[in-house]
Amino acid sequence: AQSVTQPDIHITVSEGASLELRCNYSYGATPYLFWYVQSPGQGLQLLLKYFSGDTLVQGIKGFEAEFKRSQSSFNLRKPSVHWSDAAEYFCAVGGGGSQGNLIFGKGTKLSVKP
Amino acid sequence: DAGVIQSPRHEVTEMGQEVTLRCKPISGHDYLFWYRQTMMRGLELLIYFNNNVPIDDSGMPEDRFSAKMPNASFSTLKIQPSEPRDSAVYFCASRPLRLNTEAFFGQGTRLTVV
Repeated sequence: AQSVTQPDIHITVSEGASLELRCNYSYGATPYLFWYVQSPGQGLQLLLKYFSGDTLVQGIKGFEAEFKRSQSSFNLRKPSVHWSDAAEYFCAVGGGGSQGNLIFGKGTKLSVKP
Repeated sequence: DAGVIQSPRHEVTEMGQEVTLRCKPISGHDYLFWYRQTMMRGLELLIYFNNNVPIDDSGMPEDRFSAKMPNASFSTLKIQPSEPRDSAVYFCASRPLRLNTEAFFGQGTRLTVV
């Protein structure tokens, strides 16, 4: 069955510190992987996506993620967190193309300490 | 393009009433998704369409929920009769058929059933 696990429900980091949000997936075929961010009261905005090729992908707002097939992981990273990064982050997996649906993880809420 | 447009943004209704949520996908997108977001269950895929045809409605919680897509530019999600446990944020998203594309989300409709 297709699934996405984000093991951390809530993470707090200090401003300027590095960040890593974990994501593990289960998918029967080649996965397409996504990270979305949701600010309070807002919809989901795409941070970055992986379809193929280089396993380290760069996204907006200084975020990056690394696809590790052997570990079925797609962890999100940022070297220095800003207070404006406080939000909820969702990892998603999908097949792309004719397999249209995306399966989301439960999300990780990020708080940033001044 | 204005993005995915959902209406209303907020809806408060009494238990037993019919509720209709509306979505206008991005022009030219082939897929349309309805998601429900709650604290307990996170983001759940309710149903998705490909070229106006429902492909998978296994996420629709019960017969009180129905969704239609009469044309490529409009979809509705109807709850009849509504119950307090239907209170959630409902998101609509759309994406093109071609590979290497992500889903674009609307701002959501916050439904409160009292």
